[in-house]
Amino acid sequence: GQNIDQPTEMTATEGAIVQINCTYQTSGFNGLFWYQQHAGEAPTFLSYNVLDGLEEKGRFSSFLSRSKGYSYLLLKELQMKDSASYLCAVTDSNYQLIWGAGTKLIIKP
Amino acid sequence: GAVVSQHPSWVICKSGTSVKIECRSLDFQATTMFWYRQFPKQSLMLMATSNEGSKATYEQGVEKDKFLINHASLTLSTLTVTSAHPEDSSFYICSARSPGLETGELFFGEGSRLTVL
Repeated sequence: GQNIDQPTEMTATEGAIVQINCTYQTSGFNGLFWYQQHAGEAPTFLSYNVLDGLEEKGRFSSFLSRSKGYSYLLLKELQMKDSASYLCAVTDSNYQLIWGAGTKLIIKP
Repeated sequence: GAVVSQHPSWVICKSGTSVKIECRSLDFQATTMFWYRQFPKQSLMLMATSNEGSKATYEQGVEKDKFLINHASLTLSTLTVTSAHPEDSSFYICSARSPGLETGELFFGEGSRLTVL
């Protein structure tokens, strides 16, 4: 079966750095997405990785290792507004998007 | 980025009534739209893939006669929850892909929170 694993919840301190991991087992791979979702709102796009390596976008970076079926989202200089759920999603060989359950990130002052 | 608009944002209805939710792509043509349902503290669950001009493709376990999907134009897809019951109360979200890119980012509507009394 297809499976995406990410931690259920993480806690970090304002101003610090946090890394949210995602591992996947899917039938084929055509890219990995990270989305941010605030409570009661729709997800918003953060990043897309299809090749191995690190993609940096401001305070957020995303890393992919296809051989390991592994990705992480790195958030720097954490702000209170970063408190949200972070969803990892993989596009499989049929271009279907498989979603992880999401990681709830709690930022403390 | 592309804009997807969903309406209404909130809806409260009585048990047994039907509710229609609209999803519009405002600045691009979307041949395919996706409908998700999300229960509190859970991840997105794909309900169906809406295809313009043809029947929607439903995921296993989703009743197509209860959740009617119509994709009559390249910019509008609708989800109608028929004979709604309290267990249908959920957050319904639509999305569409960047035009012409199967692996492109998904753009989401604002979501519609349905409460069935």
